[in-house]
Amino acid sequence: AQSVAQPEDQVNVAEGNPLTVKCTYSVSGNPYLFWYVQYPNRGLQFLLKYITGDNLVKGSYGFEAEFNKSQTSFHLKKPSALVSDSALYFCAVRDPLRGSARHLPFGSGTQLTVLP
Amino acid sequence: DVKVTQSSRYLVKRTGEKVFLECVQDMDHENMFWYRQDPGLGLRLIYFSYDVKMKEKGDIPEGYSVSREKKERFSPILESASTNQTSMYLCASRTLPGQENQPQHFGDGTRLSIL
Repeated sequence: AQSVAQPEDQVNVAEGNPLTVKCTYSVSGNPYLFWYVQYPNRGLQFLLKYITGDNLVKGSYGFEAEFNKSQTSFHLKKPSALVSDSALYFCAVRDPLRGSARHLPFGSGTQLTVLP
Repeated sequence: DVKVTQSSRYLVKRTGEKVFLECVQDMDHENMFWYRQDPGLGLRLIYFSYDVKMKEKGDIPEGYSVSREKKERFSPILESASTNQTSMYLCASRTLPGQENQPQHFGDGTRLSIL
């Protein structure tokens, strides 16, 4: 089965400090991994994805994520947090070798709060 | 940019009513999805449509039906609304070519309250 976990419901960080939002996955093959962000009263917005190639993926708004196959992780990072980064973040995973096209398991979400 | 439009941001309905949710996308995407989002439960898939007139049950289809008569529109129906269907509903679309590695594009959501 394919699944994804976000071990932290809440992450607090001071403005200007680096931030990390954690994601681990479980798939039988090589995963496709995605990060989305949800601002209050809005839908999810795509941030970045890992399909293949370089383990460090850069995305929108200065975010990046590192794919670590040995640790089955895909943590979202940003070198210097902004108050405007405060939002709900979702990780999603797909095993391209199995599962129907419909299925894109999302994590339960991590609420990031950046304190001024 | 892809635009996925959910016609209602907020809806308040009564128990037993028939409720229609609407979603339209403007990028000719084949795949469309409906999710509900509840605190602590993340996103749960209600229905998915591969293409026009094609639909597949998601993880929690009970109490919902859907129609996909036109490619741009994917509309779920709550046949007889119940209070446990109070939730945030999110529509998404995705292109078919290379679908496995394409992101979904989401609407802004419809917050539905059943009284």
